[in-house]
Amino acid sequence: DTAVSQTPKYLVTQMGNDKSIKCEQNLGHDTMYWYKQDSKKFLKIMFSYNNKELIINETVPNRFSPKSPDKAHLNLHINSLELGDSAVYFCASSRGTRVYEQYFGPGTRLTVT
Amino acid sequence: AQTVTQSQPEMSVQEAETVTLSCTYDTSESNYYLFWYKQPPSRQMILVIRQEAYKQQNATENRFSVNFQKAAKSFSLKISDSQLGDTAMYFCAFMKQTIQGAQKLVFGQGTRLTINP
Repeated sequence: DTAVSQTPKYLVTQMGNDKSIKCEQNLGHDTMYWYKQDSKKFLKIMFSYNNKELIINETVPNRFSPKSPDKAHLNLHINSLELGDSAVYFCASSRGTRVYEQYFGPGTRLTVT
Repeated sequence: AQTVTQSQPEMSVQEAETVTLSCTYDTSESNYYLFWYKQPPSRQMILVIRQEAYKQQNATENRFSVNFQKAAKSFSLKISDSQLGDTAMYFCAFMKQTIQGAQKLVFGQGTRLTINP
């Protein structure tokens, strides 16, 4: 069984569209994250949720809005997509404060044309 | 702010050789965690090894070991008896726990390692 899953794995869309990426974890973790990996492979955190509460919000355009309906899910909605949004987006999860390993999903490659 | 620097964009070694990947970081914290992640062509992020800053003993996981120099803020990864499957991007990462219980990972730029047959 996949621990952290993301859908879709690939997403090709045109500029100006709105799209969502879904993330689910079955590890019982209460903290989830979104990371962005750009074309140069640089990874940077975007958001983090703990028990459905937003606790990390890096400098990310307002067009990006995370939504956490429950502890096991953290979705990423992107409005008015731009060419620069093309990247691989990783979801990750971890358990609270005593275990520090983050488990990553397989990533979603977003291509904006 | 914490920064992580990997000064070797690419490295290449022959199978069975030993290779060391460099990483330095900058922080004013005294308690933190350091990680090495591997990203093979499948793009899955895989944890290789982790080190708690308060532990003086270097972490080891089978063929993977680290040389942690806290005063120098250096955290290098040594891969012994390298195998073709070790070919991947390797990311050094610094983790700090926030007050809210979140764990923020800050990554280096990555080192692309190629193991040649």
